[in-house]
Amino acid sequence: QVQLVQSGAEVKKPGASVKVSCKASGYNFSKYVMYWVRQAPGQSLEWMGWINAGNGDTRYSQKFQGRVTITRDTSANTAYMELSSLRSEDTAVYYCARETSGWAHLDYWGQGTLVTVSS
Amino acid sequence: DIVMTQSPDSLAVSLGERATINCKSSQSVLYSSNNNNYLAWYQQKPGQPPKLLIYWASTRESGVPDRFSGSGSATDFTLTISSLQAEDVAVYYCHQYYSSPRTFGQGTKVEIK
Repeated sequence: QVQLVQSGAEVKKPGASVKVSCKASGYNFSKYVMYWVRQAPGQSLEWMGWINAGNGDTRYSQKFQGRVTITRDTSANTAYMELSSLRSEDTAVYYCARETSGWAHLDYWGQGTLVTVSS
Repeated sequence: DIVMTQSPDSLAVSLGERATINCKSSQSVLYSSNNNNYLAWYQQKPGQPPKLLIYWASTRESGVPDRFSGSGSATDFTLTISSLQAEDVAVYYCHQYYSSPRTFGQGTKVEIK
């Protein structure tokens, strides 16, 4: 069965960077696009960007352009999201989610990774 | 950016009664070449990731109970829970995947009256 397992919670200081991983299993990792979506406490969902796991192409939300980098390691079936220059407003749960096919909905989600930014 | 606006923000429904959630997009998410509406609905329970319920506006995901249904086209969409069960208490989000940036509604919290 398809599973996306994310790395554990992180606590970071303002100005630092965080890198969250998402290990995929149960499907051909390289055939799909992986999204990153975040959710601040009590808030809605916010798309950050995606990576085509096959060719490595990425697309980022303009809001995070310059601060976010999404990569993947096909040998490890793992996608990564790195966010830099952290500020308190970046405190959120970060999710990876698989896009079901080209330009479509998100069918499987990771369990989420809480990133807390605090001095 | 396409803005997704849900209504109401919250609603309380008696067990067994119907719950209706609306979602309006600021521009059409209907792709004319394939006649598909690029709109999905997710359910999120506390401490859990979102769960896909409906995609292409009206296609129920495998394993989702048939009391959940989606309807609408272009800019106006509805998620209906025909007979609310206790396990349906959650926040529901609409999501457009027509264009980037992908955007979500603000969420509708469903509770038991």
